[in-house]
Amino acid sequence: SQKIEQNSEALNIQEGKTATLTCNYTNYSPAYLQWYRQDPGRGPVFLLLIRENEKEKRKERLKVTFDTTLKQSLFHITASQPADSATYLCALDTGGAGNNRKLIWGLGTSLAVNP
Amino acid sequence: ETGVTQSPTHLIKTRGQQVTLRCSSQSGHNTVSWYQQALGQGPQFIFQYYREEENGRGNFPPRFSGLQFPNYSSELNVNALELDDSALYLCASSQAATDTQYFGPGTRLTVL
Repeated sequence: SQKIEQNSEALNIQEGKTATLTCNYTNYSPAYLQWYRQDPGRGPVFLLLIRENEKEKRKERLKVTFDTTLKQSLFHITASQPADSATYLCALDTGGAGNNRKLIWGLGTSLAVNP
Repeated sequence: ETGVTQSPTHLIKTRGQQVTLRCSSQSGHNTVSWYQQALGQGPQFIFQYYREEENGRGNFPPRFSGLQFPNYSSELNVNALELDDSALYLCASSQAATDTQYFGPGTRLTVL
């Protein structure tokens, strides 16, 4: 079956360290993949989009990689801060045409950065 | 802030009732998607509207229905509410089906 998986266990790291979150998928050939941040009780907020022909994308302390051979994206937060504590979601564009094309979402990974 | 608004913020209903949730999209966006998010889960795609037409639907029963208006605002209607419908309902607007989604703050629905 087609699915998208993120590390299910909550991630606890020390302030200043690099947090690495994973997003794995099967049976898709996505045109691109997106990462979002969600705080409790609020809607997700877009962070980064990476296309299938891009290996890496950066934005300030954030870095995303996309390996279409491994069918995996990694999301890194360097020099992490307590304010980075949130749930991080990946969303995958399924490709295809018309009504068949949609975004599929992972369950999210909860990140806690301890001071 | 994304410019996407949703109303109401919270809602409590009883089983069997009907509910209408509303969403106004960000200026310039003609696509609205609705998601259901249960506690601890990722958003589950309900359906999407593009220029007032349904443009894709997730695995939700027909008692979940929607509308999009000429100004691209949208409604989600749920009939015959069940306890499992309790969730955060999110709407997101975008410029195309799978483009970056701009989410509203959500409506927290509780079914008793």
